[in-house]
Amino acid sequence: EAGVTQSPTHLIKTRGQQATLRCSPISGHTSVYWYQQALGLGLQFLLWYDEGEERNRGNFPPRFSGRQFPNYSSELNVNALELEDSALYLCASSLVLGTSSYNEQFFGPGTRLTVL
Amino acid sequence: AQKVTQAQTEISVVEKEDVTLDCVYETRDTTYYLFWYKQPPSGELVFLIRRNSFDEQNEISGRYSWNFQKSTSSFNFTITASQVVDSAVYFCALSEAHRDDKIIFGKGTRLHILP
Repeated sequence: EAGVTQSPTHLIKTRGQQATLRCSPISGHTSVYWYQQALGLGLQFLLWYDEGEERNRGNFPPRFSGRQFPNYSSELNVNALELEDSALYLCASSLVLGTSSYNEQFFGPGTRLTVL
Repeated sequence: AQKVTQAQTEISVVEKEDVTLDCVYETRDTTYYLFWYKQPPSGELVFLIRRNSFDEQNEISGRYSWNFQKSTSSFNFTITASQVVDSAVYFCALSEAHRDDKIIFGKGTRLHILP
């Protein structure tokens, strides 16, 4: 079974541009999570999509946005890029089993975004 | 508020030594999950273990062992007879058992195993 995939592997942009990162969840998973790993800040929760809707958002400005498509894949968009947006962006997917169960998150390999 | 603290930023040990990575967490929930992940230089997150808050039994898996103590809000990870391949960044993490589902990570401990 294929795991979570992310594209591109690396992305280089300049300040002020927009970046689009993509994530394909494990087949059958309906939830997608985005995390940012910036140097010195560790891994921080960014966004959670489930069944096409944004369910939760971390402490990030509105220029970080995304969407989830009917096939459950997801895009993360970062507008007006700033130097400090340079980071590894990790996507995870899970199958939501209900509130009484833990919904295991499976992580993809990440997209490394460099802002010059 | 949820918080995970990994006080050790970086540790270096010589191969075959034992090493313990510390993790202290904060949460108001009575039901929660604790994790350890390994991140090798390639960048992907490798899941190591998940424990729920009601299971305080220590766990051993090969050279890895975990010590969960609710009384001190700690979930420490020990590698015995360390190997060079254990060199990586290790993250401790917490998830509270409600529909939020987000994982709160510590800042990680970079472990260097010296040959």
